[in-house]
Amino acid sequence: SQKIEQNSEALNIQEGKTATLTCNYTNYSPAYLQWYRQDPGRGPVFLLLIRENEKEKRKERLKVTFDTTLKQSLFHITASQPADSATYLCALDEGFQKLVFGTGTRLLVSP
Amino acid sequence: DVKVTQSSRYLVKRTGEKVFLECVQDMDHENMFWYRQDPGLGLRLIYFSYDVKMKEKGDIPEGYSVSREKKERFSLILESASTNQTSMYLCASRSGTGFQAQHFGDGTRLSIL
Repeated sequence: SQKIEQNSEALNIQEGKTATLTCNYTNYSPAYLQWYRQDPGRGPVFLLLIRENEKEKRKERLKVTFDTTLKQSLFHITASQPADSATYLCALDEGFQKLVFGTGTRLLVSP
Repeated sequence: DVKVTQSSRYLVKRTGEKVFLECVQDMDHENMFWYRQDPGLGLRLIYFSYDVKMKEKGDIPEGYSVSREKKERFSLILESASTNQTSMYLCASRSGTGFQAQHFGDGTRLSIL
């Protein structure tokens, strides 16, 4: 089955900088990949979906890239704000409407 | 907006009890999922359902069962609760067509004493 690696260490950045989070997978390239945000004590919330034939996707301050050769997706938040502090989860299509999730990376944006 | 509602935010039960966790979605989604989330292990799929009365095992079904008698409701049952089932349980739903997001409830933090 698919294995996903996200940096387990928290990422600390200063407000206004660009945060970059990494998602690496080990097996087959999925048809699509999704990113979710999770706040403490809450369920994950969907942010972006990128398909295997798309290199890049943007939504407001968010940008996702998908490199099937490197088996990697990068998630960028530009002009980061303290309100962006959360855990960000990468999820890959596993077929039959199922997703497999990474363990997430915690982002801390300090003022 | 899709709303997925889990019946309890916090639940404390005793070892050996039969525990029911309920989940309701309001968007007529075909697919519903139960996950547990533990520190360092991430989200792990317990069971999912793609239609009424249909169910499929996920990665960690042992000790659990599910019921889907109506399209909007998906129940997770711990047949005989054990301390290693203490966890955060998350329910999600998803449309059956195309590449869609999963919509999550806010979770039930279950403690088995």
